Amino acid sequence: GAVVSQHPSRVICKSGTSVKIECRSLDFQATTMFWYRQFPKKSLMLMATSNEGSKATYEQGVEKDKFLINHASLTLSTLTVTSAHPEDSSFYICSARGGSYSYEQYFGPGTRLTVT
Amino acid sequence: DAKTTQPNSMESNEEEPVHLPCNHSTISGTDYIHWYRQLPSQGPEYVIHGLTSNVNNRMASLAIAEDRKSSTLILHRATLRDAAVYYCILHSGGSNYKLTFGKGTLLTVNP
Repeated sequence: GAVVSQHPSRVICKSGTSVKIECRSLDFQATTMFWYRQFPKKSLMLMATSNEGSKATYEQGVEKDKFLINHASLTLSTLTVTSAHPEDSSFYICSARGGSYSYEQYFGPGTRLTVT
Repeated sequence: DAKTTQPNSMESNEEEPVHLPCNHSTISGTDYIHWYRQLPSQGPEYVIHGLTSNVNNRMASLAIAEDRKSSTLILHRATLRDAAVYYCILHSGGSNYKLTFGKGTLLTVNP
């Protein structure tokens, strides 16, 4: 199956700083990428949908100025958590679909963000 | 997208079959039934999907009721590596294709 990578896998940052998380589709072109957040023992919550070359569509309640999403190419999307606070600590997961794998969504391994 | 209902948890023994149920009584005619699973501290993994007919792949089988109001994911021989949260998700496709995850079923596999 298709492979999606995320970098970094873990990051610790200080409160008030910004953190960028990368999501790459390694062997296919992803026309659409999704960003999810998952708190401990909870289900995944969709944050936003991004299509290559256009602005991301954010879910209700997700601050677009705080969670900046860029999908500049068919293989790369980035999520920047700006002015991070301890309550932003979570497991961030991206997924991608596109090309010949369009019936399936392929998920990255996730990024564990801890804000101190 | 229509809502799904799954048991919170199920338990199985290694090398025995597992049947994971999912109810989706408000499914629409264009909704696909997808199953994903999430191993601890990992991103979800696609398992299988179907529309009306039963489906088989190397990971599992999907049995869909004739009225499509329920489905069952079948793991033919559970292994310890199958211990995960299993999510049953409906979506109607289209260009957006976003998935809405419920709470899923936590499957425990006993050695």
